[in-house]
Amino acid sequence: KAGVTQTPRYLIKTRGQQVTLSCSPISGHRSVSWYQQTPGQGLQFLFEYFSETQRNKGNFPGRFSGRQFSNSRSEMNVSTLELGDSALYLCASSLGGGTNDNEQFFGPGTRLTVL
Amino acid sequence: GQQVMQIPQYQHVQEGEDFTTYCNSSTTLSNIQWYKQRPGGHPVFLIQLVKSGEVKKQKRLTFQFGEAKKNSSLHITATQTTDVGTYFCAGPPNDYKLSFGAGTTVTVRA
Repeated sequence: KAGVTQTPRYLIKTRGQQVTLSCSPISGHRSVSWYQQTPGQGLQFLFEYFSETQRNKGNFPGRFSGRQFSNSRSEMNVSTLELGDSALYLCASSLGGGTNDNEQFFGPGTRLTVL
Repeated sequence: GQQVMQIPQYQHVQEGEDFTTYCNSSTTLSNIQWYKQRPGGHPVFLIQLVKSGEVKKQKRLTFQFGEAKKNSSLHITATQTTDVGTYFCAGPPNDYKLSFGAGTTVTVRA
């Protein structure tokens, strides 16, 4: 099976712009989670989608949003970028069926730099 | 809310030595997962523990889940340079969300 893919791998934006990141999960996985990783903060949960519905949300401002399509592919959008949004954004997919089905398979991430 | 704490944050190990990293939760966990992230890479799932007191081994790695299901440990014996990376534990505050610890970053002296 192909792994989780994320596009683009690298992105440079300026403050105030917006950005859309894409994630294609492993075939058959219906849950997609997004994480922000920074050197000081570790892995911070953004949100999780399952069957096109947001099931969980982390403590991020409303500038961070996402969606999931019927084929389980997911996008994450960040509007009005700030310097502090520079990070590695990781997408992870799982079967999503519950506690014993939430092993996360991570993609390679999108490295976002905000100038 | 639930917090998963990991100690130590950094572990510098002489090649061939053993070390342990610990994970503690403020609440009881239904399960705990461990991930490894190599430098420049992404987290990769290592193992999941579900039962109280459970112990699982993967070659030189031994994972343990506490009796109260609020803590876990990863013990690596005879550390090798391939063990370099950051080890994360993660526990679910609910069925569909994982809370990750800050990770233990391991460096190895040859």
